[in-house]
Amino acid sequence: RKEVEQDPGPFNVPEGATVAFNCTYSNSASQSFFWYRQDCRKEPKLLMSVYSSGNEDGRFTAQLNRASQYISLLIRDSKLSDSATYLCVVNVSGKSTFGDGTTLTVKP
Amino acid sequence: GAVVSQHPSWVICKSGTSVKIECRSLDFQATTMFWYRQFPKQSLMLMATSNEGSKATYEQGVEKDKFLINHASLTLSTLTVTSAHPEDSSFYICSARKGSDTQYFGPGTRLTVL
Repeated sequence: RKEVEQDPGPFNVPEGATVAFNCTYSNSASQSFFWYRQDCRKEPKLLMSVYSSGNEDGRFTAQLNRASQYISLLIRDSKLSDSATYLCVVNVSGKSTFGDGTTLTVKP
Repeated sequence: GAVVSQHPSWVICKSGTSVKIECRSLDFQATTMFWYRQFPKQSLMLMATSNEGSKATYEQGVEKDKFLINHASLTLSTLTVTSAHPEDSSFYICSARKGSDTQYFGPGTRLTVL
């Protein structure tokens, strides 16, 4: 089993749709969690950190459930520019493990 | 945010040559930098952790004599791919850690070995 598993995708949604991505991790000692986005042939860029209390940044909401070892990312009112691959990242003792990513395509 | 640069952004070389890639944190000091490799349609795979002033820590399966890492200062780490072969062609990305665990990535170096 992979240390970090994500929805395989791809997700193809119309503009304005709400889409949710899930991610599970296997190491209960995981300490911090992030969502990154990666555009084609570019480096990953930090989207947001994920906290147990949940956090929101504009149209993006991230949730962490430590008991279930599960994190999620919700995107509301999808824009064309949201099309990218979204990477779930889990840190243990400073070492990051990346999920394989979920590809989102937002269509007009 | 923070800025991390990488140089070169792309390189094409002949099989058997060595290629050096530089990673710099431009506006912060990074005691720890990371080197990743990403093949098409795959996730980032950590190759090694580069610590300033000490030897790099390599992940299982990564040959330390082939991928030489030097972290000579708090703002610069270099990765040298020695005797590169076509199977080493990949997207190499560095990241620098700022604070406790947030990583900022360089723009990546696309290596093609002919």
